[in-house]
Formats: sequence, structure tokens, C-alpha cells
Amino acid sequence: GENVEQHPSTLSVQEGDSAVIKCTYSDSASNYFPWYKQELGKRPQLIIDIRSNVGEKKDQRIAVTLNKTAKHFSLHITETQPEDSAVYFCAATSYNTDKLIFGTGTRLQVFP
Amino acid sequence: GAVVSQHPSWVICKSGTSVKIECRSLDFQATTMFWYRQFPKQSLMLMATSNEGSKATYEQGVEKDKFLINHASLTLSTLTVTSAHPEDSSFYICSASSRQLGGNQPQHFGDGTRLSIL
Repeated sequence: GENVEQHPSTLSVQEGDSAVIKCTYSDSASNYFPWYKQELGKRPQLIIDIRSNVGEKKDQRIAVTLNKTAKHFSLHITETQPEDSAVYFCAATSYNTDKLIFGTGTRLQVFP
Repeated sequence: GAVVSQHPSWVICKSGTSVKIECRSLDFQATTMFWYRQFPKQSLMLMATSNEGSKATYEQGVEKDKFLINHASLTLSTLTVTSAHPEDSSFYICSASSRQLGGNQPQHFGDGTRLSIL
């Protein structure tokens, strides 16, 4: 089955700097890769997603890149702000299943 | 759009009690609903997948007689934790998605239920 690894587990940056979180997946059939942001005690919120027919997608300060050959995908946050502080989860799934396999999460702290 | 409502948000009850958690998709028809369990500072662990009108598919290691799932309509799924014990205390989150738009669609999460068994 699918296995998703996520690094780093914690990430501290200064406000205004960029943050990058990386994930790798094992199942070559995976074709959908969402990213969720979860604040303490709250629901995971979808912030961006990418499908396997696209290599990069951007939404304002957030971008996601996908390397299908290497089975890597990454989240990039530019001009970080304190309100970006949260736990971020990557996930992967394939067309054959609706199941999302989540990474272990990255705790991002943005210091003013 | 894509709002998922989950309640109750917080339950404290005695050991041996059964607890029912509801998950509703408010503005879309959820062909599939998912139930997760999340321990503090850990990732989401999928417990089961339910499709409307059919039996839930449980992940390995999840007791189906302990965690009863019903998906009676395209907008409602319930999780019942039967005869709950302290080790069942956790944060339970549901999510819903719809294949009506074709292909993989995002899962939208409820607010979660914090279950504490005394």
C-alpha cells in the first residue's frame, strides 16, 4: 500500500522568510496530492492540491511542486506570517481509491 | 461551499457508555465519508471508509464491532463507539468527499469530536 513520508517534523522560520515542506510517496499509481493545514484543536483545512498531470501549482503565497519520477512533492510558503503557524499535512491517493494516506505532519512556527 | 458539520464537538462520559458521533455534509452529497482518529501531536489515522448504502470498510486493526459506522444517506454518516473505555479517548474527525464531479475530489473535514472516557 501507499506510504507517505514527510520532512521536517518541525520548522521554525522568521516572519517574511520562506518555508518548504517535503513529502515522498511510494505508490506510483498515486495521482492526487492535497495539503492540509491544522491549527491546534481544529479541523484540517485544505490549502492547496495538485494532480499528477501538473508539475506545479500556485495560489498567492502558497505553491506546490510535484516530481512524479522521483515521487516527491513539496509545499512552498513565501513571505511567511505568524498566522501561518500550524501543523501541515501532506497526503496522497490514487484514482482507484478515495483513501488519503497522510504524512506525519510538520509543525511550522513563524516568529515575528 | 463544501461544509461538513460534526457533532458533538466534545463528549465526556463514563466507562462502558456508548457514544454516537454524527457527520453531515451540509451543501453537497457525500458519496464517501471517512472516519479518522488523531492522538495528540500525531497524524490522522484512517479508521474506516463508508459509502452511502453499503457497509463500511475498516482499516486493519480497527474493531468493526467496537466502532459501528452507518452511512444511511448521502449527507449523513454516524460513528458509534460502543462500550467506550479510557483507551478510546481521542480526537475523532470525519471527512466527506463526492465523486459526482469525477475523479479524486478533496476531502472536507468536520470540526472533530474530542472524546474523553472517565
